[in-house]
Amino acid sequence: EAQVTQNPRYLITVTGKKLTVTCSQNMNHEYMSWYRQDPGLGLRQIYYSMNVEVTDKGDVPEGYKVSRKEKRNFPLILESPSPNQTSLYFCASSPSGTGTYEQYFGPGTRLTVT
Amino acid sequence: DAKTTQPPSMDCAEGRAANLPCNHSTISGNEYVYWYRQIHSQGPQYIIHGLKNNETNEMASLIITEDRKSSTLILPHATLRDTAVYYCIVRGMNSGGYQKVTFGIGTKLQVIP
Repeated sequence: EAQVTQNPRYLITVTGKKLTVTCSQNMNHEYMSWYRQDPGLGLRQIYYSMNVEVTDKGDVPEGYKVSRKEKRNFPLILESPSPNQTSLYFCASSPSGTGTYEQYFGPGTRLTVT
Repeated sequence: DAKTTQPPSMDCAEGRAANLPCNHSTISGNEYVYWYRQIHSQGPQYIIHGLKNNETNEMASLIITEDRKSSTLILPHATLRDTAVYYCIVRGMNSGGYQKVTFGIGTKLQVIP
């Protein structure tokens, strides 16, 4: 089944403890992206990647890191989480190319930083 | 990237057509209009997209005005399962040629029995 998977789905952690949220897609998509969703603010893009080893900042990249060493994986790293990073996070992927495309979203990861 | 403006909420009677408007007055010539929806806190789901012409698929129809400054998503026969937040987005390209996507807060559609 074509899908985007995220792990973990739920995470409660403490301020400053490094964490990684994994994202994997099995559709051979070149484009992958991370979003965070907060009440009243909609979905905001954190980072995106057009291909392996190619990443760029979205609208809210501060406090996050990403890497794209393999086409299928795009982990989101929080080196020193803070309470303002408590949010619902979504990973998405999309076929490459300059033509039209749609994004396929993962189920979400709900992160709480205390 | 062109910004979009949507009403924060709308109601629709079950079985009737739901017409969701979106304003994107600063859209540029090579930007597409996409619609997604999000049910509860699930991952957003793609619905439809278009450039200039009206589009239709099994889920919905997309009507884009001739000047491309606004569009309307039409759900022809709304059901309770269509209750969701609907996002209208415009796909833009930054100077590096990469594809950045901006979502707004969307329209919360409530389908009423």
